[in-house]
Amino acid sequence: EIVLTQSPGTLSLSPGERASLSCGASQSVSSSYLAWYQQKPGQAPRLLIYGASSRATGIPDRFSGSGSGTDFTLTISRLEPEDFAVYYCQQYGSSPWTFGQGTRVEIK
Amino acid sequence: QVTLKESGPALVKPTQTLTLTCTFSGFSLSTSGMRVSWIRQPPGRALEWLARIDWDDDKFYSSSLRTRLTISKDTSRNQVALTMTNMDPVDTATYYCARGRAFDVWGQGTMVTVSS
Repeated sequence: EIVLTQSPGTLSLSPGERASLSCGASQSVSSSYLAWYQQKPGQAPRLLIYGASSRATGIPDRFSGSGSGTDFTLTISRLEPEDFAVYYCQQYGSSPWTFGQGTRVEIK
Repeated sequence: QVTLKESGPALVKPTQTLTLTCTFSGFSLSTSGMRVSWIRQPPGRALEWLARIDWDDDKFYSSSLRTRLTISKDTSRNQVALTMTNMDPVDTATYYCARGRAFDVWGQGTMVTVSS
């Protein structure tokens, strides 16, 4: 089973700042089958990025994903007020599929 | 428009078996490449992938829960069911169903509390 470790656990930033979230895998994620989700309180997660770097439909271009193998990054170029939330990575390259433990992006 | 909706009991007793149903629309689980998963989230905690069923009836389970889970589909009714045996208070969570490999559409979730 691939274990995903997200860092940091919490990121305290101000609107307009750049956010970089990391997701490390215990084994190589095949074909870069890695996704990122955003979750706000009381809501279901929303898909942001799939295939490590492809934005999902309707996702603003301030969100970008990069990486391959065991190291992946989600970058939010300029934080908007609505971006403060919890972010999860998920691998779907090998079963069982797994999620990371999440990174909370909070207002500084 | 693709939608999914979870249904099932809000409260179950310890040792009971939980059965949840995901009813979906806007796609067919008989279409090649389609998949539906179940994911759960205990209050204040992270997402946990539980199980998946594919268009060809292949089934996959969480390593830690595989002995307690069964996933099935009824293609004609556009439903996917999940059963979890021997429920425990630690299984208290919001249970979601979602479509795909990268989950592009999620249900709203259903909260299940395990308590006597």
